Amino acid sequence: QITLKESGPTLVKPTQTLTLTCTFSGFSLSTSGVGVGWIRQPPGKALEWLALIYWNDDKRYSPSLKSRLTITKDTSKNQVVLTMTNMDPVDTATYYCAHWSFMLFSFDYWGQGTLVTVSS
Amino acid sequence: QSALTQPPSASGSPGQSVTISCTGTSSDVGGYNYVSWYQQHPGKAPKLMIYEVSKRPSGVPDRFSGSKSGNTASLTVSGLQAEDEADYYCSSYAGSNNLGVFGTGTKVTVL
Repeated sequence: QITLKESGPTLVKPTQTLTLTCTFSGFSLSTSGVGVGWIRQPPGKALEWLALIYWNDDKRYSPSLKSRLTITKDTSKNQVVLTMTNMDPVDTATYYCAHWSFMLFSFDYWGQGTLVTVSS
Repeated sequence: QSALTQPPSASGSPGQSVTISCTGTSSDVGGYNYVSWYQQHPGKAPKLMIYEVSKRPSGVPDRFSGSKSGNTASLTVSGLQAEDEADYYCSSYAGSNNLGVFGTGTKVTVL
């Protein structure tokens, strides 16, 4: 059974760096065809794809946020970490991590999400 | 990469059908048969309902169906039920050097 869970601060100040951790079970990020992505959703707004890391350490970033994002994986700990620099109130959102399946070309399992508020 | 365009809302009575459109470009929806649809209930994480334009993951009722024509994909929910009331998002692959892109979302109301 695949599960994912996001963890990190619920409140960050403007200009600070956000670090979120996705801890997962039920699959290995060293298995071919697997990826983990980060998606966010501001309150009342649409989903936005942020970053995706593949089993082979290939990475993809949102073009509009690329300069602020870094995604890494720790296969031994079954974790994926997303850092976002220079946080702004407009970055207030629920942040989700999700399992990417190359077989389905989709996110087939999602974490519950974590709400991050950016405020001084 | 711009968000795919969906109508803000759609509605239907129980038992009826509702169809949601998702319009992109030849660089995403029109270029690949990798369109997915996600259902999201309030306060919950999205759930995959359709992948590769028209395929259903195990456990998704066959009331949900997908299709594509040119740069526009569609999700149809037949035999609407109360539990189908939710937000729906499309998503498309946009090439090997890019991330995918989500749609603007559609709120489906069961009257």
